[in-house]
Amino acid sequence: KAGVTQTPRYLIKTRGQQVTLSCSPISGHRSVSWYQQTPGQGLQFLFEYFSETQRNKGNFPGRFSGRQFSNSRSEMNVSTLELGDSALYLCASSGRDRGRRTDTQYFGPGTRLTVL
Amino acid sequence: DAKTTQPNSMESNEEEPVHLPCNHSTISGTDYIHWYRQLPSQGPEYVIHGLTSNVNNRMASLAIAEDRKSSTLILHRATLRDAAVYYCILRDVWGNTDKLIFGTGTRLQVFP
Repeated sequence: KAGVTQTPRYLIKTRGQQVTLSCSPISGHRSVSWYQQTPGQGLQFLFEYFSETQRNKGNFPGRFSGRQFSNSRSEMNVSTLELGDSALYLCASSGRDRGRRTDTQYFGPGTRLTVL
Repeated sequence: DAKTTQPNSMESNEEEPVHLPCNHSTISGTDYIHWYRQLPSQGPEYVIHGLTSNVNNRMASLAIAEDRKSSTLILHRATLRDAAVYYCILRDVWGNTDKLIFGTGTRLQVFP
């Protein structure tokens, strides 16, 4: 089974611009979550989508948004970029694995965003 | 959300066993204990999880205290590839979310 893929892997933007990151989950997985990882704050939950609906949201400003499509692929968008948005953005998908009683999250390699 | 506490860092020599502790004194009865690890320049990966009984898989073993207020991830023979940050996370089995709350984790260094 192919893993979670994220595009692009690296991105450089300037302050004030907006950016869209893409995530393709593992085939059959309907849940997609997004996380931001920075050296100062560690791994923080952004939001989670399940069957095209946002199911949970972290404590991030409204500049951060996301969506999920009918094929479970997801995008996240950051508008009016700030220097502090420089981070590794990770996407994870999950689905019930055979024999496991809780869903396992499978993470992609991340998109490294640098804001100049 | 219930919190976990882990040491910031640990060291091991290659081929020696490693015991990574985690305290979760406020764990609820429906919380599963999950472990993930993050290798350098990669996204986190699932290692193991358990509820009450000790668990084994091909990667590691999970020992859970009888009162469930602490647990230990055991790597039976550490390899250089096991150098990573290990995260202990609680997940409510009845929670309608896949959200993971990561702490600071334990950075494991493995020496040849």
